[in-house]
Amino acid sequence: DVKVTQSSRYLVKRTGEKVFLECVQDMDHENMFWYRQDPGLGLRLIYFSYDVKMKEKGDIPEGYSVSREKKERFSLILESASTNQTSMYLCASSPSRLLRATHVYEQYFGPGTRLTVT
Amino acid sequence: GNSVTQMEGPVTLSEEAFLTINCTYTATGYPSLFWYVQYPGEGLQLLLKATKADDKGSNKGFEATYRKETTSFHLEKGSVQVSDSAVYFCALSPSGTYKYIFGTGTRLKVLA
Repeated sequence: DVKVTQSSRYLVKRTGEKVFLECVQDMDHENMFWYRQDPGLGLRLIYFSYDVKMKEKGDIPEGYSVSREKKERFSLILESASTNQTSMYLCASSPSRLLRATHVYEQYFGPGTRLTVT
Repeated sequence: GNSVTQMEGPVTLSEEAFLTINCTYTATGYPSLFWYVQYPGEGLQLLLKATKADDKGSNKGFEATYRKETTSFHLEKGSVQVSDSAVYFCALSPSGTYKYIFGTGTRLKVLA
């Protein structure tokens, strides 16, 4: 079974703090993703990584950065947390998919980290 | 651009009722389509998928058919159970990309 783990289920931080959210997957997947989930907005992609040290911005990267030094680990960093970053953060991983390949690979999700910034 | 629209919830049903959750999409080319489910306190997990027009995905009594002519992928179940109470997300993955685009989610509550 694929397992995606996230370092904390619940986190409370103060405005201005630097926050690290960690995600680890154990299936040797190339792709890893960070989403935030907000009521009425669904999941929105913050960043994704398709290889070690490679990253691409998603739809809402402002205020966030990421780090992928090892294949199994993908970190989300809030450089200076703000109250509007209070949210549920979900990490996901998937195998890479060749262009025009017939196979479709699902994304596997961690349990999420509920972050509150006060 | 690519987008997914799904019906707003919450949807409240009695046990053994018939379920439909509507999902329509906008995409270029031939995306893959998915339904994910999120049980309380958990992350998302894949419920079913379809990769080409007229494909039917099915799992745990749930079904959805990829309808290109109506750009829809509606989720159905003939008889829901209390344990089906969860949030359901429709998603698409454009061909040739790693990315997924998710709908806003529909909360289902099944009463005994």
